[in-house]
Amino acid sequence: EAGVAQSPRYKIIEKRQSVAFWCNPISGHATLYWYQQILGQGPKLLIQFQNNGVVDDSQLPKDRFSAERLKGVDSTLKIQPAKLEDSAVYLCASSLTPTGEETQYFGPGTRLLVL
Amino acid sequence: QKEVEQDPGPLSVPEGAIVSLNCTYSNSAFQYFMWYRQYSRKGPELLMYTYSSGNKEDGRFTAQVDKSSKYISLFIRDSQPSDSATYLCAMRPAGNKLTFGGGTRVLVKP
Repeated sequence: EAGVAQSPRYKIIEKRQSVAFWCNPISGHATLYWYQQILGQGPKLLIQFQNNGVVDDSQLPKDRFSAERLKGVDSTLKIQPAKLEDSAVYLCASSLTPTGEETQYFGPGTRLLVL
Repeated sequence: QKEVEQDPGPLSVPEGAIVSLNCTYSNSAFQYFMWYRQYSRKGPELLMYTYSSGNKEDGRFTAQVDKSSKYISLFIRDSQPSDSATYLCAMRPAGNKLTFGGGTRVLVKP
């Protein structure tokens, strides 16, 4: 079974530029998550999708971050404009269902450096 | 104060020793408790999952949850160099998002 795929793996941009990350979840997984992991910290949930719909985006900085999940499969996360504090690893995860017992499977992450 | 506290380490042990990791939390609504392992430049992978209080054992790994003390632990027996990684605790109430600890870096020396 293929895992969660993410691209690019690394990205370096200047502040105020825009950047987009792509995620392809495990086939058949209804729920998709984007996390931000700052160096030395645990992952923090940015947004959760169930199929096409947003379940939780309470911690997404909506003035600069946006995300979409078209057709309930792939997802993109965009930052525009980027700030220095956005430097982090952006992890995508998916799970079969959003119940309390589900396992979230994580992708390798996209490492973003904002200069 | 963070909802979930975890000592960042690093924790260095000789090969074959028992590794003891723990997290404390403040939200009494947490019911599901997990431990993830994260190798450098990789995503976290689920190691252990526990619902409510009690112990769970899986091979060399034992997870314990004490809800009365708001304290969870992970023990790794017969540690191997391949166990060197960052260990993240995570927890959630029913039907809500995961809250992660900051992770403990573990180094098992041959």
